[in-house]
Amino acid sequence: AQTVTQSQPEMSVQEAETVTLSCTYDTSESNYYLFWYKQPPSRQMILVIRQEAYKQQNATENRFSVNFQKAAKSFSLKISDSQLGDTAMYFCAYPTGANSKLTFGKGITLSVRP
Amino acid sequence: DADVTQTPRNRITKTGKRIMLECSQTKGHDRMYWYRQDPGLGLRLIYYSFDVKDINKGEISDGYSVSRQAQAKFSLSLESAIPNQTALYFCATGGAINTGELFFGEGSRLTVL
Repeated sequence: AQTVTQSQPEMSVQEAETVTLSCTYDTSESNYYLFWYKQPPSRQMILVIRQEAYKQQNATENRFSVNFQKAAKSFSLKISDSQLGDTAMYFCAYPTGANSKLTFGKGITLSVRP
Repeated sequence: DADVTQTPRNRITKTGKRIMLECSQTKGHDRMYWYRQDPGLGLRLIYYSFDVKDINKGEISDGYSVSRQAQAKFSLSLESAIPNQTALYFCATGGAINTGELFFGEGSRLTVL
């Protein structure tokens, strides 16, 4: 079975510091994308960043970047200069069924302390 | 206005009642999905549809049914609601299939008493 694992249910970080959220996955797909979604208290699901698996360069979006290790099937999210507005639940996800649907991890609750 | 709209946003109902959650989208996407979110379990796929004539079961379809009334509309029904169907439900649409990226509605919080 194809799975995605987020082993840390909760994390906390001081404002302005850096935090890394981990994710591992198991897929038999050869060409795929990986995603991190953010769910703030408003409950809206917001795409944070995506990584193309065939690209060696790690994706970056402002303060958010990924550390993608394809051989290890690891896809961690690094948040730099953490802000109070980063407080949210974060989900790692990857496509299955020839990219026809997304499988999500169980999520991690991130709290940013002032 | 939101690209993916879900109604109702919140609903409280009783065991045994029939409930319909509706989803409409203005993104012009063919693929539509219903997910369920429970604490500690992440999002799990209930049903998905690639077009009006194509409906597929996800990993937790028991107790649910769907209807794809048009390209832009995809509704989820609970024929006889039970308390363990209390959850946050998301509708999503899919854009380019080569990425798998999904675009979500704002969620429907359902409580079954």
